[in-house]
Parts: sequence; C-alpha cells; structure tokens
Amino acid sequence: DAGITQSPRHKVTETGTPVTLRCHQTENHRYMYWYRQDPGHGLRLIHYSYGVKDTDKGEVSDGYSVSRSKTEDFLLTLESATSSQTSVYFCAISEQGVGIEQFFGPGTRLTVL
Amino acid sequence: AQKVTQAQTEISVVEKEDVTLDCVYETRDTTYYLFWYKQPPSGELVFLIRRNSFDEQNEISGRYSWNFQKSTSSFNFTITASQVVDSAVYFCALSPRFKTIFGAGTRLFVKA
Repeated sequence: DAGITQSPRHKVTETGTPVTLRCHQTENHRYMYWYRQDPGHGLRLIHYSYGVKDTDKGEVSDGYSVSRSKTEDFLLTLESATSSQTSVYFCAISEQGVGIEQFFGPGTRLTVL
Repeated sequence: AQKVTQAQTEISVVEKEDVTLDCVYETRDTTYYLFWYKQPPSGELVFLIRRNSFDEQNEISGRYSWNFQKSTSSFNFTITASQVVDSAVYFCALSPRFKTIFGAGTRLFVKA
C-alpha cells in the first residue's frame, strides 16, 4: 500500500472557523491532489501540486487554499468553513501528472455545523 | 468540455450473475487516459485499471474485463460471476492532461 496518511480522519467544526487538513506521503511522489467526494458528484478536484510550492486550482477551488512546503506534506485550508464544505476529503498522490494512476489516502470526514 | 458519465447510479444483482458498468466520456484531446477505481464499503479508493487512448485492446483480469471503444467513447467494465465482495462504488475517470475527471460512480450491490 502507498504510504499516505491524512489527519484528522474526522472533524466537526462550526461555520466560520478555519480548518486545515493534512496529507502526508512517504512515497516521494511529485504530484499531490485534494479531492472532495459528495453524493451524486463522484470526486471533484479542489487543488493539486506538481512540486514543492507549485500548486494549481481544480474545478472546485473556491473557498479553499493549499500549501506545499515539503515534498511529503500537502495542506488544505478552509479559511472560513461553510456548511457547503461538509464532505469527505481525499488526498491522492502520483509519480507523474499524466497517464498514471493515483493512490489515495483514507479520507477525512469533515462536518461543518 | 471534459466529462465522464456513469448513467447507472445503482445496480443490484444476485451472486454469480454477470454485471456490466457503463462509462461514457467526452474529450477533445486525442491523447488521454481512462481509469477505473473501486471504493468498497470501508471507504478507501483502489485503482483497478488504466487505459490510454491509443490502446483499444480489451483487457481481462480474472473475473474483471474492460471494453474500450473509441468510436462510442465508452470504457465499460464487466464483472463475471459476481461475488458479495464485489459490492462497492465503482468510479470511471478520464485524464486528458494534468487533471483527472471522475464520474459520479455506480454503486453495485451483490446479494448472496
């Protein structure tokens, strides 16, 4: 199994509070991704990174920011959480950006009240 | 536009039945990759197969087989002699460039 961990695994927070989710990998893969999974939508890309300090937006990036200061860590921040951001968040990694499968972390279930 | 459509939201079969999960995609790129992932009830996402747009050969892996047809923009997944352990959500995905677009998923229930 690819070495990917996410923390926390579960979080309940209140509207308006900041939240940071962490993804940590031990595979030294260049590419890292944050997705959210919602019923009826599959997985939707929030942001991705193609190297340290190199990030780009996905299809649902509004309200989210990311940072990658080390190869192994990719942080997702909700600056001011809203109820619409209640979701399951998955981190994924891949060696290349194109044409290769991604390996996923266990997911973080976030509830915004 | 890039899009993946999995028209079957849920499928229910009895063990040992064959079942096909449909996937239709849209892209204007000539080079792209297609994937299937499985998400069992435990929640993790597991990679099953990758196909590039230049390789239309069908693939078989045990009870699993995949049919890729560029002419109809489809990449269908068949499970032969289904088992209860096949119960999961299955996602088809398209990767034309650096981003991967997932379908909404098909939930498969296999009853004993």
